[in-house]
Amino acid sequence: KAGVTQTPRYLIKTRGQQVTLSCSPISGHRSVSWYQQTPGQGLQFLFEYFSETQRNKGNFPGRFSGRQFSNSRSEMNVSTLELGDSALYLCASSAWTGGDANEQFFGPGTRLTVL
Amino acid sequence: SQQGEEDPQALSIQEGENATMNCSYKTSINNLQWYRQNSGRGLVHLILIRSNEREKHSGRLRVTLDTSKKSSSLLITASRAADTASYFCATAANSGGSNYKLTFGKGTLLTVNP
Repeated sequence: KAGVTQTPRYLIKTRGQQVTLSCSPISGHRSVSWYQQTPGQGLQFLFEYFSETQRNKGNFPGRFSGRQFSNSRSEMNVSTLELGDSALYLCASSAWTGGDANEQFFGPGTRLTVL
Repeated sequence: SQQGEEDPQALSIQEGENATMNCSYKTSINNLQWYRQNSGRGLVHLILIRSNEREKHSGRLRVTLDTSKKSSSLLITASRAADTASYFCATAANSGGSNYKLTFGKGTLLTVNP
């Protein structure tokens, strides 16, 4: 099976702009999670989607949003970019079918730089 | 906020030696997972241990879990240069509505010198 893919891999934006990142999960996986990774804060959970529904959300401002499509592909959007949004954004998919959070498969990430 | 805290933050060893990393967490968990990340890339799942398990093995990896102390350890035996990476523990929370996310620690940077 193909792994989790994320596009684009690298992105440079300026403050005030908005950005959309895309994630295609492993075929058959219906759970998609997004994380932000920075040197200072580490890996922080953004949100998780399952069957087009957001099930859980981390402590991020409303500028961060996401959605999931019927084919399980997911997008996240950041509006009004700030310098502090520069980070590696990681998407992960899971074959979750109930119970605990289980193994997550990560994509290579999108490196966002905000100038 | 971080749930898991890894210790040490950085570890440098020689090839062939064993590496031990520790993780402490604060709240009750359903399971604890360890991931590896090579420089600036995606994470790779290593092993999952459930709250009712005490020890688990996978190849050169050994994970222990002590729920009374809210801590876990990852042992990598006979380390190789290719094991150089950051290692993260991640906890799946036990509270309702939080079972669908993992909370990661800040990681241990392991350097294995040839």
